[in-house]
Amino acid sequence: QQQVKQSPQSLIVQKGGIPIINCAYENTAFDYFPWYQQFPGKGPALLIAIRPDVSEKKEGRFTISFNKSAKQFSLHIMDSQPGDSATYFCAASKGNFNKFYFGSGTKLNVKP
Amino acid sequence: GAVVSQHPSWVICKSGTSVKIECRSLDFQATTMFWYRQFPKQSLMLMATSNEGSKATYEQGVEKDKFLINHASLTLSTLTVTSAHPEDSSFYICSAYRQLSSYEQYFGPGTRLTVT
Repeated sequence: QQQVKQSPQSLIVQKGGIPIINCAYENTAFDYFPWYQQFPGKGPALLIAIRPDVSEKKEGRFTISFNKSAKQFSLHIMDSQPGDSATYFCAASKGNFNKFYFGSGTKLNVKP
Repeated sequence: GAVVSQHPSWVICKSGTSVKIECRSLDFQATTMFWYRQFPKQSLMLMATSNEGSKATYEQGVEKDKFLINHASLTLSTLTVTSAHPEDSSFYICSAYRQLSSYEQYFGPGTRLTVT
């Protein structure tokens, strides 16, 4: 059973657009929700993360929206740039030092 | 910032040989590290959790005798692929938890293994 479901699988936007990637989870015990960015042939890099005590977190052009009652969270990329073209993964975990449950990934293509 | 390194970044080996991949936390101590496997255009698949000074915890379906994990120090974990076969060819990535104001997991750059 997939613990974290991510959509869409792929996304194409024009430069300056605001791509939105969504994730849904099942386990209400999850208390940490990070987003990672991965370029081809590289390891994932932590972008931004949120805990369920807040509904939104913004870092630079990246924003996480969190809906605890719906068990959903999403990543918004403001003023997207071609350099943002990458694969994005959401994840969830519970407690500290515990394993992540990853979404299936979203391949984003930002056209110039 | 937190840095996790892996060595080698890519390796080609012959079928039947063993390959060791190192994962190091460069500027922090990591009591817990994770090993992932990633197939092309797919998500990360957790293989095992590596804890310093104790045996690794393997995920269901991962052969512990084939993928040997040793977490000998607070900054080094190794993954040894024993008697490698072409189906073991993959992208292997490690990660480590760093405790700052919260617990964040940082990933290494990955190791591309090709078994011929």
